[in-house]
Amino acid sequence: QVQLVESGGGLVKPGGSLRLSCAASGFTFSDYYMSWIRQAPGKGLEWISYIRSSSRNIYYAVSLEGRFTISRDNAKNSLYLQLNNLRDEDTGVYFCAREGIQGSGCYDKWGQGTLVTVSS
Amino acid sequence: SYVLTQPPSVSVAPGKTARLTCGGNNIGSKSVHWYQQKPGQAPVLVIYYDSDRPSGIPERFSGSNSGNTATLTISRVEAGDEADYYCQVWDSSSDHPFGGGTKLTVL
Repeated sequence: QVQLVESGGGLVKPGGSLRLSCAASGFTFSDYYMSWIRQAPGKGLEWISYIRSSSRNIYYAVSLEGRFTISRDNAKNSLYLQLNNLRDEDTGVYFCAREGIQGSGCYDKWGQGTLVTVSS
Repeated sequence: SYVLTQPPSVSVAPGKTARLTCGGNNIGSKSVHWYQQKPGQAPVLVIYYDSDRPSGIPERFSGSNSGNTATLTISRVEAGDEADYYCQVWDSSSDHPFGGGTKLTVL
């Protein structure tokens, strides 16, 4: 069965960095576009970034101001998100999600999320 | 950037029909997807491309999209439908925005 498992979250001080990982299994990872989506405590969903199958096309939410970097390793069936210069408002659960139909922007599978807490 | 507007809350009695709206400028020209999220869980896709249902989603869930409003309709509402619901579009000018979400309460 399709599984997405995030890891790498934790407590970090403002200005710090983290690298999140998402391990995929149960499907041909290299065939799918992938995204990261986050959710602040008690708030709604916020799309962060998107990467196509071959990594040639990458998009970010403008609000991130270039602090995050998405990448993937198709040989390892893994998706990554490098978070730099973290701020208090970056606190939340970070989900990786699979785009079920290429170009649809529709996420048919989600991981359970990893919690990032930015606090001094 | 493209903005999606959802009412913060909707309440419905069991067995009745819930209609959750998602407003956006000319949203009828875009493809809308809907997600259900229960507390402490990841979102689940319930409607894609305005009105298609993924396998495993009950026929009680349906969607429509026209003009400036997309609607998720849940017929014969059950207690287990209580959750937050988010609409989302793919918009080439502003990424993949989500609406603010609607909390569905089953009375």
